Amino acid sequence: DGGITQSPKYLFRKEGQNVTLSCEQNLNHDAMYWYRQDPGQGLRLIYYSQIVNDFQKGDIAEGYSVSREKKESFPLTVTSAQKNPTAFYLCASSTPGRGSWGYTFGSGTRLTVV
Amino acid sequence: SQQGEEDPQALSIQEGENATMNCSYKTSINNLQWYRQNSGRGLVHLILIRSNEREKHSGRLRVTLDTSKKSSSLLITASRAADTASYFCATGAWNRDDKIIFGKGTRLHILP
Repeated sequence: DGGITQSPKYLFRKEGQNVTLSCEQNLNHDAMYWYRQDPGQGLRLIYYSQIVNDFQKGDIAEGYSVSREKKESFPLTVTSAQKNPTAFYLCASSTPGRGSWGYTFGSGTRLTVV
Repeated sequence: SQQGEEDPQALSIQEGENATMNCSYKTSINNLQWYRQNSGRGLVHLILIRSNEREKHSGRLRVTLDTSKKSSSLLITASRAADTASYFCATGAWNRDDKIIFGKGTRLHILP
């Protein structure tokens, strides 16, 4: 079945450590997105990519980095510069021009700073 | 920003009743989407309505869009316990590529 896989489901980060969240899709979607969700809040866009080897900052990109070397993969690195990284991270994908048909989401990664 | 704002923030109803959630937005859109999120899970796309449409149905879901009032409503008929979730509206616009902007959601709780 086609879909988006996020891993790990739970991740713990020590102070000053970089961690990478994985997002893989087999939907042949061109566009991929990373969102951050805080308790009781909506989704805020961190980064997005519409084609391979290209990506743009979203509304809250500071302290995060991404790469898009393959169409299927869009990993997110939470760097030590992100001062408040504890949150639920969601990856999504869509087909540009048809993104208006709706996004497909992964099941999320919950990141906790310990 | 063009963030959608859902109303109410939380809603509790008896199983079998209808649930209505509203969404307002600020600027022109080309589509509005509704998503469901079960606790601790990803979002699931429910329905999309385009700016030139006024009403759309999908199973027990009915969505309306009033572009003159910049508002939309999601009606879930004959609610079930499995409908307990958070519901988000999201808006898309031509000048934002394919990015959509989410509201903060309505938490729906279906009472047995």
